[in-house]
Amino acid sequence: DGGITQSPKYLFRKEGQNVTLSCEQNLNHDAMYWYRQDPGQGLRLIYYSQIVNDFQKGDIAEGYSVSREKKESFPLTVTSAQKNPTAFYLCASSIWTSGNTIYFGEGSWLTVV
Amino acid sequence: GQNIDQPTEMTATEGAIVQINCTYQTSGFNGLFWYQQHAGEAPTFLSYNVLDGLEEKGRFSSFLSRSKGYSYLLLKELQMKDSASYLCAVVEGNSGYSTLTFGKGTMLLVSP
Repeated sequence: DGGITQSPKYLFRKEGQNVTLSCEQNLNHDAMYWYRQDPGQGLRLIYYSQIVNDFQKGDIAEGYSVSREKKESFPLTVTSAQKNPTAFYLCASSIWTSGNTIYFGEGSWLTVV
Repeated sequence: GQNIDQPTEMTATEGAIVQINCTYQTSGFNGLFWYQQHAGEAPTFLSYNVLDGLEEKGRFSSFLSRSKGYSYLLLKELQMKDSASYLCAVVEGNSGYSTLTFGKGTMLLVSP
């Protein structure tokens, strides 16, 4: 079945450590996104990518990094520079034209301990 | 950048009708989505509007007025399972890139 797979579902990180969240899609979508959601809040855009080897900062990119070496993959690294990383992280993808639905992965819960 | 406003919380009774409003200020408007999100889950697509008017899909309808920067989601015959957060999201295109920006969501509680 086609879809977006995020892993891990739950992740605990010690302060000062980097951690990478995986996102893979087999929908042949050009665009991929990473969003962060805090309790009771909407989704905020961290990074997005339109094509391989190209990505753009979203509204809250500080303390995060991404890569887009393959069309199918868009991993997100939460670095130690991100001071408040505990949140729900959602990866998404879409065909890169207006009006096409954005498809979401199931999300990853990151907790700093 | 853009500003998207929607009410934080709403309550309604099973079987009733509820309207969730969304106002936005943006440049390069390319459409507006409504998503439903249950706690701890990913958002699921409800509707998409790019032209003015009403789009109806079963119990859910969505309206858009581009000149007013206004949309609403109308839920009819409310069911308990409709208790969720409803997210308004605006597509903004700029220099060949489009992004989808979300409002903070409206938490709807449906009571018996």
